[in-house]
Amino acid sequence: GESVGLHLPTPSVQEGDNSIINCAYSNSASDYFIWYKQESGKGPQFIIDIRSNMDKRQGQRVTVLLNKTVKHLSLQIAATQPGDSAVYFCAGSYGGATNKLIFGTGTLLAVQP
Amino acid sequence: DAEITQSPRHKITETGRQVTLACHQTWNHNNMFWYRQDLGHGLRLIHYSYGVHDTNKGEVSDGYSVSRSNTEDLPLTLESAASSQTSVYFCASSERDMEPSPLHFGNGTRLTVT
Repeated sequence: GESVGLHLPTPSVQEGDNSIINCAYSNSASDYFIWYKQESGKGPQFIIDIRSNMDKRQGQRVTVLLNKTVKHLSLQIAATQPGDSAVYFCAGSYGGATNKLIFGTGTLLAVQP
Repeated sequence: DAEITQSPRHKITETGRQVTLACHQTWNHNNMFWYRQDLGHGLRLIHYSYGVHDTNKGEVSDGYSVSRSNTEDLPLTLESAASSQTSVYFCASSERDMEPSPLHFGNGTRLTVT
């Protein structure tokens, strides 16, 4: 079946460093990807999205890179702050115009002050 | 500001009871979704709706039902609660009808079935 997963993030991230969180997906027909941040006791919060016709998209302190050849995407966070500590997960959409996402299991980013 | 509100935040119920979780959004979005979140699993889709009177089954719909009588609300009902339904439930909505768009999530309902 379809899958979206996460690899381990950069370990022991220090405040001010850049962080990279990786995600792999299995369905080459996936055409839309989203990164979410989830803090304890809260719902997932949208960070950034990217469509399959792009390979890079930048937001405020965040960049998403999409490599369709190896079915991999990554989230880069510049100048990581303690407030960035959270679980991050990616989601991928398949099926054309439908709005159904498959979510990865998430990984914890812990920022050391 | 527009938002999506879930209630209650926490609920404890007994096996076999009927339970309804509320979801209310003020985004005026047509699309609404219910997910459950469990350790070791990503968010899994239970039911979704693309508009008033429209409902569809998701990946893990057994034992759950929804109804959509207006744009703002999509209540989730557990017909006869089971211990396997202990989970955190998230409601979400999205804007664009005909192409994928970000989901806006509520802060969840933690349900415990004893």
